[in-house]
Amino acid sequence: KAGVTQTPRYLIKTRGQQVTLSCSPISGHRSVSWYQQTPGQGLQFLFEYFSETQRNKGNFPGRFSGRQFSNSRSEMNVSTLELGDSALYLCASSSTRDTKSTDTQYFGPGTRLTVL
Amino acid sequence: SQQGEEDPQALSIQEGENATMNCSYKTSINNLQWYRQNSGRGLVHLILIRSNEREKHSGRLRVTLDTSKKSSSLLITASRAADTASYFCAPHTGGFKTIFGAGTRLFVKA
Repeated sequence: KAGVTQTPRYLIKTRGQQVTLSCSPISGHRSVSWYQQTPGQGLQFLFEYFSETQRNKGNFPGRFSGRQFSNSRSEMNVSTLELGDSALYLCASSSTRDTKSTDTQYFGPGTRLTVL
Repeated sequence: SQQGEEDPQALSIQEGENATMNCSYKTSINNLQWYRQNSGRGLVHLILIRSNEREKHSGRLRVTLDTSKKSSSLLITASRAADTASYFCAPHTGGFKTIFGAGTRLFVKA
């Protein structure tokens, strides 16, 4: 099976712009999670989607949003970019269905966003 | 889910030596997972150990889980330079949120 793919791999934006990142999960996986990784804050959970529904959300401002399509592909959007949004954005897919145990997550290579 | 706390924060060893890193957590879990991240890349899943398991092996990796102490350890035997990476534990209590700690940075000198 093909792994999790993320596009684009690198992105440079300026403050105030918006950006959309894309994630294609492993075929058959319906759960997609997004994480932000920075040197200062480490790996932080953004949100998780399953069958087009957001099931959980981290502590990020409303400028960060996401969605999932019927084919399980997911996008995340950051509006009004700030310098502090510069980070590696990671997407992970999983076959997790129920609430009792989180299955293995398979991560994509990430999108490196630089905000100037 | 809850955050795991890895210890030590950094570890430097010679090639061929064993590396042990620990993870502590606060409440009961369903399972605990270990991940590796090479610099600036995505995470790779290493092992998942369920709450009713005490030890699990995968190649040169050995993971133990002590639910009474709320701790887990990851042992990498006969380390190689390619094992240089950050290692994260992720204890899961259910739900759809994974919280990662700061990780252990392992440096294996050739």
